[in-house]
Amino acid sequence: AIQMTQSPSSLSASVGDRVTITCRASQGIRSDLAWYQQKPGKAPKLLIYAASSLQTGVPSRFSGSGSGTDFTLTISNLQPEDFATYYCLQDYNFPLSFGGGTKVEIK
Amino acid sequence: DVQLVESGGGLVQPGGSLRLSCAASGFAFDSHSMNWVRQAPGKGLEWVSSITSSTRTIYYADSVRGRFTISRDNAKSILYLHLTSLRAEDTAVYYCARVAYGSDGFYAGFDYWGQGTPVTVSS
Repeated sequence: AIQMTQSPSSLSASVGDRVTITCRASQGIRSDLAWYQQKPGKAPKLLIYAASSLQTGVPSRFSGSGSGTDFTLTISNLQPEDFATYYCLQDYNFPLSFGGGTKVEIK
Repeated sequence: DVQLVESGGGLVQPGGSLRLSCAASGFAFDSHSMNWVRQAPGKGLEWVSSITSSTRTIYYADSVRGRFTISRDNAKSILYLHLTSLRAEDTAVYYCARVAYGSDGFYAGFDYWGQGTPVTVSS
């Protein structure tokens, strides 16, 4: 099974900051990776699929990059509504696997 | 509007069983693969199971294989997850999620999720 290592597990940032979250796969997964945002008590929300494709309706300050084993989610100009937990998910093969999550907190 | 509404969760004793349902509306249910994802209290997301639109192909996480069964009724637009031999570590909120497809027909993530149904396994 593919292991997804996400880092950092948490970070503190201010409104307007640029934030970068990384996910590393234990083997190559092409560009078969998605990013999700989850707020407390809510279902996850799809942000990015196929490593870099922005889901419809998601603000352009969210971007994704990478292929193979190393992937990045970048949030530019962090907004108050972006404080949440972010997860990567590899959909290259089954069993699908999520990263451990990154909690973005207000500094 | 696309809606996914889970139900069937609750408190169950270790070794017990439950059947979760996910009622879908607002889209062609029989054209989408579907998934179950769970989240233990205070923990991260864990993929549980997937089923293709035709039910031809099914996958399970190792942690639930042999104990959980995914199924769907395309005529009723309902996704199911039958949970048996439940353990304390199965305690979680269970979400159903729809697979999206891009304009090229390729997989494009889980674009719609239900609100989740909580399962608590405890004596």
